[in-house]
Amino acid sequence: QKEVEQNSGPLSVPEGAIASLNCTYSDRGSQSFFWYRQYSGKSPELIMFIYSNGDKEDGRFTAQLNKASQYVSLLIRDSQPSDSATYLCAVSNSSASKIIFGSGTRLSIRP
Amino acid sequence: KAGVTQTPRYLIKTRGQQVTLSCSPISGHRSVSWYQQTPGQGLQFLFEYFSETQRNKGNFPGRFSGRQFSNSRSEMNVSTLELGDSALYLCASSLTPGLAGATQGTQYFGPGTRLLVL
Repeated sequence: QKEVEQNSGPLSVPEGAIASLNCTYSDRGSQSFFWYRQYSGKSPELIMFIYSNGDKEDGRFTAQLNKASQYVSLLIRDSQPSDSATYLCAVSNSSASKIIFGSGTRLSIRP
Repeated sequence: KAGVTQTPRYLIKTRGQQVTLSCSPISGHRSVSWYQQTPGQGLQFLFEYFSETQRNKGNFPGRFSGRQFSNSRSEMNVSTLELGDSALYLCASSLTPGLAGATQGTQYFGPGTRLLVL
């Protein structure tokens, strides 16, 4: 079992709709959870982090964390073509010494 | 403010050779982390340096090593290159060590060095 799992996609969402990206992790001791956006040919960019159960909102982005289910998600409201990218879920290990990345979900927003 | 710079941007080596990659963090940032990104394994943590000391290390063989200088610039070295070392090598700089840089929103990635081993 991979430590951090994501559906590779592609996930195709119409412009203006809500994109929902999901991630599960195996280490129950993980404390911090991150979402990175990576455009094709570019470097990852940190867009959200969350460490408490529940929702955290930042503009059009909402991160959701459920530690009991070992599940973290990212919602993107009012999706725009510029949101088309690969989204990487990352989780800290239980000793908080490093970040472990999922393989990423490719999101495509169709006009 | 200049961003994170990595040199060289592209590199072609042959099996058995060694390579040194360089990363200059954002001015004032003292933490530099290195990552390897491949289509098969994704993005994997190599190691982190803060104030010239290696703080954390990922699960890579000893052929992968690094160091950090007093000006916070960091170098990564891979000896005895293998075909599987072909990858995009990314460094990220942040103000503070460990995960604090990411949670404080001060973590920034460089453009990467694309290494091809033939």
